[in-house]
Amino acid sequence: AQSVSQHNHHVILSEAASLELGCNYSYGGTVNLFWYVQYPGQHLQLLLKYFSGDPLVKGIKGFEAEFIKSKFSFNLRKPSVQWSDTAEYFCAVNEGSGANNLFFGTGTRLTVIP
Amino acid sequence: GAVVSQHPSRVICKSGTSVKIECRSLDFQATTMFWYRQFPKKSLMLMATSNEGSKATYEQGVEKDKFLINHASLTLSTLTVTSAHPEDSSFYICSARDWDPYNEQFFGPGTRLTVL
Repeated sequence: AQSVSQHNHHVILSEAASLELGCNYSYGGTVNLFWYVQYPGQHLQLLLKYFSGDPLVKGIKGFEAEFIKSKFSFNLRKPSVQWSDTAEYFCAVNEGSGANNLFFGTGTRLTVIP
Repeated sequence: GAVVSQHPSRVICKSGTSVKIECRSLDFQATTMFWYRQFPKKSLMLMATSNEGSKATYEQGVEKDKFLINHASLTLSTLTVTSAHPEDSSFYICSARDWDPYNEQFFGPGTRLTVL
């Protein structure tokens, strides 16, 4: 079975700082990769996804992620965070070929200080 | 994006009773719906996948007789926790997508279940 690791449990940044959240997965085959965000009191929303093609994926709200196959990683980045980015971020993986099952990491809480 | 609702948002029940949680897709036809469970400071764990009109597929370790899932229409799936016990207390989240497995899953807001 897949496992997804998010090593940063809680990250605290000041506004305008750069962000990088780590995500590593264990499956050796073809994978689809996702980052979801959960703002306080709201449901999970998709930030970005990677299925194939350019390993640098751009998502909503200025976020991007890079798939590095050799490192089994899909780190999330944003060059300059805002207070409104305060949320919980989840990395998720499913096996390729449109498989249903999403395996989630434990999440990283981001707190942005104004 | 598409909207998925859950009802109720919170429920408190006594041990031994059954609780039904509804998941609805409001503006698209949800061919497939998923039920997740989230423990504090843990990731979401997929419990089961249901396709409209057929039996749900449960993940290993999930008791199908305890967590009954019905996906009777293209807009509604229900999860019934039968004979609930305190260890069933958790946050239950559903998601839904249309017929295309490459399309995004849209998540509901979750239901907080507390079993006394």
